Amino acid sequence: NAGVTQTPKFQVLKTGQSMTLQCAQDMNHEYMSWYRQDPGMGLRLIHYSVGAGITDQGEVPNGYNVSRSTTEDFPLRLLSAAPSQTSVYFCASSHGLAGVGEQYFGPGTRLTVT
Amino acid sequence: AQKITQTQPGMFVQEKEAVTLDCTYDTSDPSYGLFWYKQPSSGEMIFLIYQGSYDQQNATEGRYSLNFQKARKSANLVISASQLGDSAMYFCAMSPFRDFGNEKLTFGTGTRLTIIP
Repeated sequence: NAGVTQTPKFQVLKTGQSMTLQCAQDMNHEYMSWYRQDPGMGLRLIHYSVGAGITDQGEVPNGYNVSRSTTEDFPLRLLSAAPSQTSVYFCASSHGLAGVGEQYFGPGTRLTVT
Repeated sequence: AQKITQTQPGMFVQEKEAVTLDCTYDTSDPSYGLFWYKQPSSGEMIFLIYQGSYDQQNATEGRYSLNFQKARKSANLVISASQLGDSAMYFCAMSPFRDFGNEKLTFGTGTRLTIIP
């Protein structure tokens, strides 16, 4: 199993550009999430999905879109990049069985918006 | 709304000593899960330990144990016999324990642990 994979690892965008951060998992997990990590602030939830076709907003959803057409993939779209979106982005997945715990995290994408 | 508080921005500990990383939480959910993650300088998030709010016993995983005090709303991580490889950022997190599981983590700001040889 590759686990949770994210591409790209690094990305530099200009203000106003759009892009999609890719996330895929091969563990047949129902639950997938996107977090951003800013210095001194821990990780914050952007969007999450409890299964194919179902998504919902997290704590900081503005400026981001998601969709979940398959169990495996959960892309994060930045519609019009802003310098405030400079951050490290983590995708995570879990099987969603109550009482078992643990989200599996991808290696992260470091995004810089100039 | 949930909140995680980690009051120790940084800690220095001598190798082979035990270390306790503090975590307090606040939530209105009746059931929840508590997590600790390690983030080394390479950046990946490594799951360490999990405690369900309904668990009667404290969770343990090798050298890691979670000192869960529900009445005090604390979930401290204890690392026994620290090693140089334990130097990293440590995050406490929690999630509401709905019907299906733990998909919405709220993280604290982290504690940077440095192990001194």
